[in-house]
Amino acid sequence: EAGVVQSPRYKIIEKKQPVAFWCNPISGHNTLYWYRQNLGQGPELLIRYENEEAVDDSQLPKDRFSAERLKGVDSTLKIQPAELGDSAVYLCASSLGSGGHTDTQYFGPGTRLTVL
Amino acid sequence: QQPVQSPQAVILREGEDAVINCSSSKALYSVHWYRQKHGEAPVFLMILLKGGEQKGHEKISASFNEKKQQSSLYLTASQLSYSGTYFCGTGYSSASKIIFGSGTRLSIRP
Repeated sequence: EAGVVQSPRYKIIEKKQPVAFWCNPISGHNTLYWYRQNLGQGPELLIRYENEEAVDDSQLPKDRFSAERLKGVDSTLKIQPAELGDSAVYLCASSLGSGGHTDTQYFGPGTRLTVL
Repeated sequence: QQPVQSPQAVILREGEDAVINCSSSKALYSVHWYRQKHGEAPVFLMILLKGGEQKGHEKISASFNEKKQQSSLYLTASQLSYSGTYFCGTGYSSASKIIFGSGTRLSIRP
């Protein structure tokens, strides 16, 4: 079974430029998560989707970040404009259930973003 | 609400045992354990649910002490492949999201 796929794996941009990340979850997984992982830290949830609906976006900086999940499958996360502090690894994860506390999340390899 | 992991880092020789702790200031419903190798995705190890459960996975096992609001991960007779950063993720209600700790970096020397 294919795992969570993310692209690109690495991205280097100048500050104030836009950037987008793409995620394809495990087939059949209803819930999709975007996390940000700063160096030496654990993943921090940005947004969680149940099918097409964003059910938890309380930690998403909405002034510059946006996300969408097309037809309840693939998802894109966008930053516009990027700031120096956005440099991090952006992880996508998916789970079979509705994202409750017993739901096992499977992570993709992440996109390492460097903002210069 | 972020759980506290200890120690932050540990260095072992192959064959030695390790214990990694995950503590919460709030009552826990669940604890998830992951291992992440450098530059790779976090990999799910196990989940423990409210009820003081203990689980095992080969030489890696974990306990969940509801009273102490704490979970411990036990690695016995460590192998080189166990190296990586271990994260615990905690759930605080039946519908809550998982909040991850800052991780414990484990290095195994031959």
